Amino acid sequence: DTAVSQTPKYLVTQMGNDKSIKCEQNLGHDTMYWYKQDSKKFLKIMFSYNNKELIINETVPNRFSPKSPDKAHLNLHINSLELGDSAVYFCASSFTRYEQYFGPGTRLTVT
Amino acid sequence: AQSVTQPDIHITVSEGASLELRCNYSYGATPYLFWYVQSPGQGLQLLLKYFSGDTLVQGIKGFEAEFKRSQSSFNLRKPSVHWSDAAEYFCAVGAPNTGNQFYFGTGTSLTVIP
Repeated sequence: DTAVSQTPKYLVTQMGNDKSIKCEQNLGHDTMYWYKQDSKKFLKIMFSYNNKELIINETVPNRFSPKSPDKAHLNLHINSLELGDSAVYFCASSFTRYEQYFGPGTRLTVT
Repeated sequence: AQSVTQPDIHITVSEGASLELRCNYSYGATPYLFWYVQSPGQGLQLLLKYFSGDTLVQGIKGFEAEFKRSQSSFNLRKPSVHWSDAAEYFCAVGAPNTGNQFYFGTGTSLTVIP
């Protein structure tokens, strides 16, 4: 009965490759988010979708593209991966204006 | 602009001792405030939240936090720390008028000495 799940948990890939991370929530929330946590543990929001509509789009490279096929899913696709993309990516979900629930994270390593 | 400051990067306490983690925020309206805990290799777990009402809020695992508007603070406390509390703690401000965007502090790493 996992609330917010992400796949894969670990992702190791080479520079220049394209990869996707998937996120699903079964909490019935209407808003989903992607965060990036760097090596210093700093958490920065990247995107937010409310009812499949993009509402937060922070300054991230165009190589990052979120896609929300439905309210329960928010995927993150990354093109032309770079060394600096190595981080832990967290998906989260919430009802609008309420606390966010986080997934377990995806550790991306670009070599 | 909204921001969250956690002045203590790292804190070490002895098991059984009391704990206070500091959090200061900057936000133009009444904030929504949260504390999350992140154990190594894990996601973030919500400890407690403040939206309105009683300024002393109780959370899970014996934690509590007090909202002090005059000091723009939301400090986390626990009367007696257990070894399992060793983790990274994040304070966050929710900005409901900006798509529920959360602003996180830089985190405080807690080490518990047996």
